Parts: sequence; structure tokens; C-alpha cells
Amino acid sequence: LAKTTQPISMDSYEGQEVNITCSHNNIATNDYITWYQQFPSQGPRFIIQGYKTKVTNEVASLFIPADRKSSTLSLPRVSLSDTAVYYCLVGDQDNYGQNFVFGPGTRLSVLP
Amino acid sequence: ETGVTQSPTHLIKTRGQQVTLRCSSQSGHNTVSWYQQALGQGPQFIFQYYREEENGRGNFPPRFSGLQFPNYSSELNVNALELDDSALYLCASSWGGEQYFGPGTRLTVT
Repeated sequence: LAKTTQPISMDSYEGQEVNITCSHNNIATNDYITWYQQFPSQGPRFIIQGYKTKVTNEVASLFIPADRKSSTLSLPRVSLSDTAVYYCLVGDQDNYGQNFVFGPGTRLSVLP
Repeated sequence: ETGVTQSPTHLIKTRGQQVTLRCSSQSGHNTVSWYQQALGQGPQFIFQYYREEENGRGNFPPRFSGLQFPNYSSELNVNALELDDSALYLCASSWGGEQYFGPGTRLTVT
């Protein structure tokens, strides 16, 4: 079963690039890595998903090295509204079917 | 908005009671997953349903059970409620790829 770790918190300033790394040493061959953003009292919001190398969309980039034991979410030029908790999610297929493991979350604070 | 809806929004129950939470998946999604999120923690996977069959389960006791209906909506049932069951319960729907979450149901057990 995959176990994920993330930094508990990070601070940044408006306009800076922020990189948040998630470690998932036991990731299985077929697992995808997904990142979510969550505001208080709301459900997680999908940011980006990838399997290997680099994925980019209109809001973020996701870097996954060849061994896939970690992944880095990159947020370009953050704003105050990006203050939230960011989670990585690893899909894990074990003998009992589909399973998913969220990381503990990284609380990002964007300062003016 | 993801198109995933959950009801009720908030619920207060007494220890030992039973509760049913409901989720309507996004149009076209045939898979629903349920998560429990305690205050200040990441969501914990409870189980997943695919085409009305349980397709995976996390480390939760049998008093957590579920159903998925032919229209792919889903229910989460929790029997014999305990104080530690107080949490935000999230459902997420998907079609073979990324999951899209509803706003959650806040359950308080007193």
C-alpha cells in the first residue's frame, strides 16, 4: 500500500512560483498521481494528474521523475487566492481492488 | 462546480444511531468513491463502487457500507455511530480517470 508524505506547510509571496513535492515510495506500476486543492469546508478541487515525466495544464505543471517515487506540483505566479491545502493522491490497486491514498496535505499561505 | 452533489449538507446524530448519506455523481460518470476527512487531516478512502459493485475498500470496519444505484448515484451507510465518526464525508465520481469531488456532508456525532 502506497504511503505518501508532504511538507506540512509552505509560505510564499504573490507572484512567486511554488513547488510542492510529494513522496510515494511504494507507488504501484499502474498508479496515477493526482493533485487537489482544498479550501475550508469544501471538497477537494482537481488540479492536475500524471503518470510519468511532465504534464502541464492552464493552472499548474506536474513533474514526475523516472522512478516515480515522488512528484512535484508547480504553481506559477501564485496569488492570494491560491492560499489553500494541497493534497497529492496516489491510486493503488492491491489484492482487494482499487485503493487510494491521500497525502497529509501541504498548507500553502500566500502573502502579499 | 463539479456537478457532484451530496445531501444533507450537515447532520447531527447521537452515538449508536445509524446514518445514510447520499451522493449524485456527475453526468456520465459510472464510478463513485467515498472518503472520510477528519478535521485537519487528509481524506481517507472508505470504498469505491463501479457499476453497482464494490470495487475496492480502505481500512474501515463493516459498519461502513454502501450502495450504488443504476443511475450511478450512491449511498453511504454507517451503523452504530461512534464519536470518532464525526467528520466531513466526501464522495467523488469518475469515469476511469481523475475524480471529481462533491462539497461533502459534515457529520457530527454527540
